[in-house]
Amino acid sequence: AAGVIQSPRHLIKEKRETATLKCYPIPRHDTVYWYQQGPGQDPQFLISFYEKMQSDKGSIPDRFSAQQFSDYHSELNMSSLELGDSALYFCASSLGQGNGELFFGEGSRLTVL
Amino acid sequence: AQTVTQSQPEMSVQEAETVTLSCTYDTSENNYYLFWYKQPPSRQMILVIRQEAYKQQNATENRFSVNFQKAAKSFSLKISDSQLGDTAMYFCAFKESQGGSEKLVFGKGTKLTVNP
Repeated sequence: AAGVIQSPRHLIKEKRETATLKCYPIPRHDTVYWYQQGPGQDPQFLISFYEKMQSDKGSIPDRFSAQQFSDYHSELNMSSLELGDSALYFCASSLGQGNGELFFGEGSRLTVL
Repeated sequence: AQTVTQSQPEMSVQEAETVTLSCTYDTSENNYYLFWYKQPPSRQMILVIRQEAYKQQNATENRFSVNFQKAAKSFSLKISDSQLGDTAMYFCAFKESQGGSEKLVFGKGTKLTVNP
């Protein structure tokens, strides 16, 4: 069965640079979530989209933005990168809202030097 | 805001034995979902088991079962016949059922080591 696809899997950037992460949800899933997991930390919710509209917002820095496109894939744009942005970024998708289960991608590991 | 507490940062168990991971949560909602996710060294987040709050019966998935105590807001995970491949971080997570936020709120995790 198709899973959530994230790209790139690994990304290395310098401070103050920009990075873009992509997420392709499971086919027919209309809701996408982004999470950030620092080293030794639990995943922290950043932002979510339902039917291409932002549905919830968590602890996402103003330097970050995201959107969901007409084909339901989502992109997380991160600008003016800081050392503290180094983390594993997870995307998850679900079908509709309220049905419970989120399916996670394998994550994109961002390293900021 | 909902909070999820896992009071055991680390646990260990011998292969083939049983271990229970604790999780408590705080919410004013009546309908919600609870999950246990496993994160092995590969860092993939893998769903282990889920529980819907309106269901009184405890969920089970093969060697994994939960003890859901709604009044006590407790949701523990029991792993029977532990295997070396069960070594991982285990996260307890909460999600509202409808309306409000759709996000998962995670606990801090419990690092489980299964020893041979």
